[in-house]
Amino acid sequence: GQNIDQPTEMTATEGAIVQINCTYQTSGFNGLFWYQQHAGEAPTFLSYNVLDGLEEKGRFSSFLSRSKGYSYLLLKELQMKDSASYLCAAVDSNYQLIWGAGTKLIIKP
Amino acid sequence: IAGITQAPTSQILAAGRRMTLRCTQDMRHNAMYWYRQDLGLGLRLIHYSNTAGTTGKGEVPDGYSVSRANTDDFPLTLASAVPSQTSVYFCASSNGSGENTGELFFGEGSRLTVL
Repeated sequence: GQNIDQPTEMTATEGAIVQINCTYQTSGFNGLFWYQQHAGEAPTFLSYNVLDGLEEKGRFSSFLSRSKGYSYLLLKELQMKDSASYLCAAVDSNYQLIWGAGTKLIIKP
Repeated sequence: IAGITQAPTSQILAAGRRMTLRCTQDMRHNAMYWYRQDLGLGLRLIHYSNTAGTTGKGEVPDGYSVSRANTDDFPLTLASAVPSQTSVYFCASSNGSGENTGELFFGEGSRLTVL
């Protein structure tokens, strides 16, 4: 079956760096998305990776290793507003998105 | 800029009742989707539409139906609601579909409670 694994919850300190991991097992692979979702709100797009390597976008970076079925989202200089859930979604061979359950990130002062 | 509008934002209804969740987008996106989000689970696709006039079944379509009469609107209907359909429902759209699927834009969600 198809599966996305990511930690349920993580805690980090304001100003620090945190890495949220995501491993995927899908029938075929056509890229990986990261979305941010604040409590009670809609998910919003953060990044998309289809090739191996690191994509940097301001304080947020996303990494992909296709051979390992692995991605991570790196958040630098954490701010209180980064407290949210982070959703990983892999695109399978039918171009359907397979979603992880999300990682709830708690930022402490 | 409205983006995607869902209605209602919240609803409580009795089991067995019929309910339609409305979704309208003003971005002229071809593809639209309905997801449900439950605690501890990833977003699960209910139905989708790659273009006006076509629809397809997602991962959890049973008990739900959709229509896509035009580009902008994509209503989701529960013919006879059951308590297991208690969830938060998100409508989303994307400019392309299939291999051209780009980022998804989500509505604010509709919280549905079936008693």
